[in-house]
Amino acid sequence: AQKVTQAQTEISVVEKEDVTLDCVYETRDTTYYLFWYKQPPSGELVFLIRRNSFDEQNEISGRYSWNFQKSTSSFNFTITASQVVDSAVYFCALSEGRTGANNLFFGTGTRLTVIP
Amino acid sequence: GAGVSQSPRYKVAKRGQDVALRCDPISGHVSLFWYQQALGQGPEFLTYFQNEAQLDKSGLPSDRFFAERPEGSVSTLKIQRTQQEDSAVYLCASTPRGAPGTEAFFGQGTRLTVV
Repeated sequence: AQKVTQAQTEISVVEKEDVTLDCVYETRDTTYYLFWYKQPPSGELVFLIRRNSFDEQNEISGRYSWNFQKSTSSFNFTITASQVVDSAVYFCALSEGRTGANNLFFGTGTRLTVIP
Repeated sequence: GAGVSQSPRYKVAKRGQDVALRCDPISGHVSLFWYQQALGQGPEFLTYFQNEAQLDKSGLPSDRFFAERPEGSVSTLKIQRTQQEDSAVYLCASTPRGAPGTEAFFGQGTRLTVV
């Protein structure tokens, strides 16, 4: 069975601080995909990044970076020098690698508030 | 439009009423998904279409929920005899291909409140 755990329900940081959002997953599949989505108050889920299970290379995109570690089943997300516009709910999600099994299993989300 | 469009944005239904929620995916996208998001929770999978074929409906919570995509583009999620526990945001997503791991594009959702 698939499961995604985001233990941090809410985080508040002061603008320009760095913040890391944790994600731990469970799956029996050897091939799977991990995602991070951002949900601003407008409600639309915005795609941030996708990693497949065979690619443990960490990635940096501007102020965002991701740390994928299969050994600990974690896929953590760090925002450097946070900004007020980063305030949103962030979801980690997992999908299986089998054909036809494309739906996403989401964590419960972490609400990030960046205080000016 | 360029993105996934859902209508209505908000719907208030009296308990027992039937409702229909519409999703217009991105043009040409093969796959379409419906998710249900309760307050303070992550989205939960309801059903999945590849073109007009409903390949997975394992997430539909009861036989009061029904989804269709007759021409492989627009989809409708219908809920019969609504109950208070159906109150949630219903999200639609589409992907350009049916391949695993494809990025999903989400609409803004329909917030359903059953009173």
